[in-house]
Amino acid sequence: DAKTTQPPSMDCAEGRAANLPCNHSTISGNEYVYWYRQIHSQGPQYIIHGLKNNETNEMASLIITEDRKSSTLILPHATLRDTAVYYCIVRVTNFGNEKLTFGTGTRLTIIP
Amino acid sequence: DSGVTQTPKHLITATGQRVTLRCSPRSGDLSVYWYQQSLDQGLQFLIQYYNGEERAKGNILERFSAQQFPDLHSELNLSSLELGDSALYFCASSVLSGNTIYFGEGSWLTVV
Repeated sequence: DAKTTQPPSMDCAEGRAANLPCNHSTISGNEYVYWYRQIHSQGPQYIIHGLKNNETNEMASLIITEDRKSSTLILPHATLRDTAVYYCIVRVTNFGNEKLTFGTGTRLTIIP
Repeated sequence: DSGVTQTPKHLITATGQRVTLRCSPRSGDLSVYWYQQSLDQGLQFLIQYYNGEERAKGNILERFSAQQFPDLHSELNLSSLELGDSALYFCASSVLSGNTIYFGEGSWLTVV
């Protein structure tokens, strides 16, 4: 699996957009970019994923660069409940390698 | 609520004992994953089952074993427990092997 690099921590003011970067320069053509978050010690929560196009759902937007070597997760209007560790994961989805490999993630703190 | 159910939520047991953690995947999900999260190791993939068959193996100790039953629920058996096995154990599931993975809330195991 391709490795990802994320800043260890970030702060964001409540109500502002939180932009979380992820570098995945060794990503392969068949690997997807997934984002999960973990609030305190709860189970990791799926946020969004994409292959090469930008994606948006009710939780967030995912912007993937054209060369696919990096991406940004955007939480448009951050709330205190968005304080969590955010994981960017590159994942193949076939050949028995469908597991998610978690790194250390970015600890996002929303400041009131 | 992800739809993945894990029992028990909390478990305290003594060294040398054996415990079984149970997971009910989301309705219709064929694939089940087990992860371990300890303070110093982060989220570690243990094992994956797909429709009753072992699909992928990660850093699972020989003292640990798992299975997926015909009704698709899964059990993780931990034996000869050591203090270092104290951790959060997460189960996750997906419809098919390459689809989005959803996590349960975990089982807290404390070995004393």
